[in-house]
Amino acid sequence: AQSVTQLDSQVPVFEEAPVELRCNYSSSVSVYLFWYVQYPNQGLQLLLKYLSGSTLVKGINGFEAEFNKSQTSFHLRKPSVHISDTAEYFCAVSDTGGFKTIFGAGTRLFVKA
Amino acid sequence: GAVVSQHPSRVICKSGTSVKIECRSLDFQATTMFWYRQFPKKSLMLMATSNEGSKATYEQGVEKDKFLINHASLTLSTLTVTSAHPEDSSFYICSARGRAYNSPLHFGNGTRLTVT
Repeated sequence: AQSVTQLDSQVPVFEEAPVELRCNYSSSVSVYLFWYVQYPNQGLQLLLKYLSGSTLVKGINGFEAEFNKSQTSFHLRKPSVHISDTAEYFCAVSDTGGFKTIFGAGTRLFVKA
Repeated sequence: GAVVSQHPSRVICKSGTSVKIECRSLDFQATTMFWYRQFPKKSLMLMATSNEGSKATYEQGVEKDKFLINHASLTLSTLTVTSAHPEDSSFYICSARGRAYNSPLHFGNGTRLTVT
């Protein structure tokens, strides 16, 4: 079975500052990793995914994440955030069979002017 | 990109009535659809997984007789909340995955259910 831990429930940051949202996972098998963003009263939108290959993954809206197998982490980063990045961010993991996706508790990113 | 349409976006119903929520994949064949429930400021709780043409697989603690799931075609899955009660009020989200084993999930925009 897999599990996902998002270490920060809320991350306040000023506009144009860099941000890192942390995610750790546990699994006894190989996994795929995802980051999703959720805006209020909406579903989730895929930001980026790691399936295999390069451990640095670039996604939409200027976000990137790095897969670190030894630390079982998949932290999300953005060098300069905008007000519009304020949202809930979910890290997720699935086994490589892709049958079930498990979500972390979410991190609320709040960008201040 | 892939689009999943979920309808209705909001519904208010009286206690004891049933509500049906539809989830459609508009531009791809969704062999597997998932239904989640999200409580305020909480993560998504997987309720059930449905595969086209077969019975849904429910997660532990989810009442299958209360949350009826039908996945009759490759583009449509429905969730029916039967005999709804106020504690069923929540945000319900569906997601769909294509045939490829490494396909990401595509989410609907969710349904806000309020039971009065």
